Amino acid sequence: DTEVTQTPKHLVMGMTNKKSLKCEQHMGHRAMYWYKQKAKKPPELMFVYSYEKLSINESVPSRFSPECPNSSLLNLHLHALQPEDSALYLCASSQRTLVTMNTEAFFGQGTRLTVV
Amino acid sequence: QQQVKQSPQSLIVQKGGISIINCAYENTAFDYFPWYQQFPGKGPALLIAIRPDVSEKKEGRFTISFNKSAKQFSLHIMDSQPGDSATYFCAALTNSGGSNYKLTFGKGTLLTVNP
Repeated sequence: DTEVTQTPKHLVMGMTNKKSLKCEQHMGHRAMYWYKQKAKKPPELMFVYSYEKLSINESVPSRFSPECPNSSLLNLHLHALQPEDSALYLCASSQRTLVTMNTEAFFGQGTRLTVV
Repeated sequence: QQQVKQSPQSLIVQKGGISIINCAYENTAFDYFPWYQQFPGKGPALLIAIRPDVSEKKEGRFTISFNKSAKQFSLHIMDSQPGDSATYFCAALTNSGGSNYKLTFGKGTLLTVNP
């Protein structure tokens, strides 16, 4: 199973709403990521969780609040977003194996967020 | 500062032709180089990856060539098919401590394979 599942697939929210994006993986990966992707651009890293602790915050505005309830789940809480925050939000997970020293990062299908 | 430079921005190839996408990096701390394929409205899917101690890796029609001294790597798609039409991202991975693996992406190449 190499699947990262994200819900919902699409989300439309007003600027005063509070919503959450969810991500789940059952590959035993201990690093999980949130990326933001605008149209025709590469994914941009937002947050990294390592062993359920926030280890990297790429200077993301506080209106985005990540949470890692357990090793399989990753949430992104959204509050008071702006129209320019509309994008595809991608979750990913990875774990380096000691045997092969290869790291494979698997992405979910993303949540298409529209802020109105 | 763009740490992974990808070219070309777009590429049009005839069916059966060879598609070549190039990437260059500056940070010698990068130690793993994956390529991702992304279709519209979907998340990036890992296509093939290489470590810097290997000069070439082939999986089916996809080959990565890696030149460590030049800090360059490229993706070759042999016998390109219309179903290969997608955006391709090269990436480079670095370990920023513990299990913190940070992927840096190139800007992407939009590949169109004409029938």
